[in-house]
Amino acid sequence: DARVTQTPRDKVTEMGQEVTMRCQPILGHNTVFWYRQTMMQGLELLAYFRNRAPLDDSGMPKDRFSAEMPDATLATLKIQPSEPRDSAVYFCASGIGQGRAFFGQGTRLTVV
Amino acid sequence: GESVGLHLPTLSVQEGDNSIINCAYSNSASDYFIWYKQESGKGPQFIIDIRSNMDKRQGQRVTVLLNKTVKHLSLQIAATQPGDSAVYFCAEIYNTDKLIFGTGTRLQVFP
Repeated sequence: DARVTQTPRDKVTEMGQEVTMRCQPILGHNTVFWYRQTMMQGLELLAYFRNRAPLDDSGMPKDRFSAEMPDATLATLKIQPSEPRDSAVYFCASGIGQGRAFFGQGTRLTVV
Repeated sequence: GESVGLHLPTLSVQEGDNSIINCAYSNSASDYFIWYKQESGKGPQFIIDIRSNMDKRQGQRVTVLLNKTVKHLSLQIAATQPGDSAVYFCAEIYNTDKLIFGTGTRLQVFP
């Protein structure tokens, strides 16, 4: 079955360290989303790409977060430096244009 | 980030009963809507979608109703089963493909 793959599944890091989360979208999908999920804020859209170009990253704290798509098979979300308030589950999703998005299993990030 | 989250409303239903989960969306220009189901420890999973030129769509045991006048969506689950227990999110798409999630609702099914 085609699926969105996220790595790592779990990450524990110390405050101040760089964190990189990776996502392999479903082959052929041209839209990629990054979401953050916390109990307090629900599912927040951080950024999304179409055909590897960033369309909207207004949901990301610009000073520490960055999202890229080096190629069509890889999307990355980096946090540098990480802070305890960044602790959350980060989801990647992919889709085709204006259609349903398919989600990965998420990366659970804990910053201590 | 854009979201409507916070305190999660909970719907408790008895197995075999019908469930109705409601959602208010924010943007009158949204033209496509999706319901997702999220089980513990997993990513959201697509259930059913509907375009703004429709007011009802049916799937297997699920029906989505759209009322554009009051910007309201509902998800109806027939003969609710224990496996339906999860958090349900509505999501809207506007600006072509920007997918924004609404407040989740926790569905608890008891025997």
